[in-house]
Amino acid sequence: SYVLTQPPSVSVAPGKTARITCGGNNIGSKSVHWYQQKPGQAPVLVIYDDSDRPLGIPERFSGSNSGNTATLTISRVEAGDEADYYCQVWDSSSDHVVFGGGTKLTVL
Amino acid sequence: QVQLQESGPGLVKPSETLSLTCTVSGGSIGSYFWNWIRQPPGKGLEWLGYISYSGSTNYNPSLKSRVTISVDTSNNQFSLKLSSVTAADTAVYYCARGGGRGGIDPWGQGTLVTVSS
Repeated sequence: SYVLTQPPSVSVAPGKTARITCGGNNIGSKSVHWYQQKPGQAPVLVIYDDSDRPLGIPERFSGSNSGNTATLTISRVEAGDEADYYCQVWDSSSDHVVFGGGTKLTVL
Repeated sequence: QVQLQESGPGLVKPSETLSLTCTVSGGSIGSYFWNWIRQPPGKGLEWLGYISYSGSTNYNPSLKSRVTISVDTSNNQFSLKLSSVTAADTAVYYCARGGGRGGIDPWGQGTLVTVSS
């Protein structure tokens, strides 16, 4: 089965740029989606199809995907961005939904 | 705007069957994939399976023998049954739409199901 690997944690100072990676075999050939989850809340889609933002998501959130790594980039990080972030793909070989293990973003 | 709402018992006894329903409002259940996803306390997201608008299903292999997802298009609902539950099945259960291109959106608010005698 397809495996997505995320770092357990990322720390960043306010106003700086945070980058959260999602590794997978030839992930660049798949569409990657990113979710933000704050404590006690359901996940929220923040990036879909590698780099598109849903309505209402700030432009500070961006995504890229190439080779074996997809990246969620959060520019000008704010305290309110502190959350868990999950990447997700559709594994077309099995038609399964696959999630990464999640990354806890801490704003210092 | 499509909204999803989970409903069902919050407490299930070990070895029994967990049953949840997701009601879709603000739009038709047609033309999408409809998922069940869970999150044990303090852990990550685990996809359980989906059902398409046409009724085809696909399940997480780690749970395949215990999971059944069905759809009731007349009531705009889809349901989850998880049999032979143990304490390890204690989690917040989410229903959600999508999964392929476009991502999974929207999600229900989630419902906590505790497995305990």
